[in-house]
Amino acid sequence: EIVLTQSPGTLSLSPGERATLSCRASQSVSSTYLAWYQQKRGQAPRLLIYGAVKRATGIPDRFSGSGSGTDFTLTISRLEPEDFAVYYCQQYGTSPLFGQGTKLE
Amino acid sequence: QVQLEESGGGVVQPGRSLRLSCVASGFSLSRYGMHWVRQAPGKGLEWVALSWYDGSNRQYADSVKGRFTISRDNPMNTLYLQMNSLRAEDTAVYYCAREYSDYESEGFFDYWGQGTLVTVPS
Repeated sequence: EIVLTQSPGTLSLSPGERATLSCRASQSVSSTYLAWYQQKRGQAPRLLIYGAVKRATGIPDRFSGSGSGTDFTLTISRLEPEDFAVYYCQQYGTSPLFGQGTKLE
Repeated sequence: QVQLEESGGGVVQPGRSLRLSCVASGFSLSRYGMHWVRQAPGKGLEWVALSWYDGSNRQYADSVKGRFTISRDNPMNTLYLQMNSLRAEDTAVYYCAREYSDYESEGFFDYWGQGTLVTVPS
């Protein structure tokens, strides 16, 4: 059974800085089925990235995804105040599976 | 515009049942796979169940298999989650979510409802 481990658990940065969030899988996963979501307090998750590198509709280009195999990264190039939230990676193998989340504060 | 609206949550005693509904608007449910995803208070996201676009295939997380049933009424554009033998650990906000691509099961979700809270006291 695949396990997704996100790091760090909490990332403390300031607006304007660059954020790098990691998602590591316990075994190789297809990039096709790797996604990232943003969740703000009291809201439903929002799809940011799918297929490891493709931005979802309406997602600003400061968000980018990269990686393959077991290591995937979500990068936010210049943080805006509205970017402070929890981020989850997710893969779809035999069934969808989420990482435990990274809180960006 | 695409909208998903869940209902049916509430407080239910352990061992009892509850049925959640998710009404879809702005698209035809019959074209999309649909999922239920839950989030316990203060915790992360946990996938619960999947229904293919035509209802021909259903999958469940091990934690709910044999207790929960996902179903759909495509003409009514409504997705359901029948939850039986509820436990305290089923306490969560339950979201319905739409597959990104129509007629596919790629396992990621482009639209989510706002969720409905299910509380099972311990």
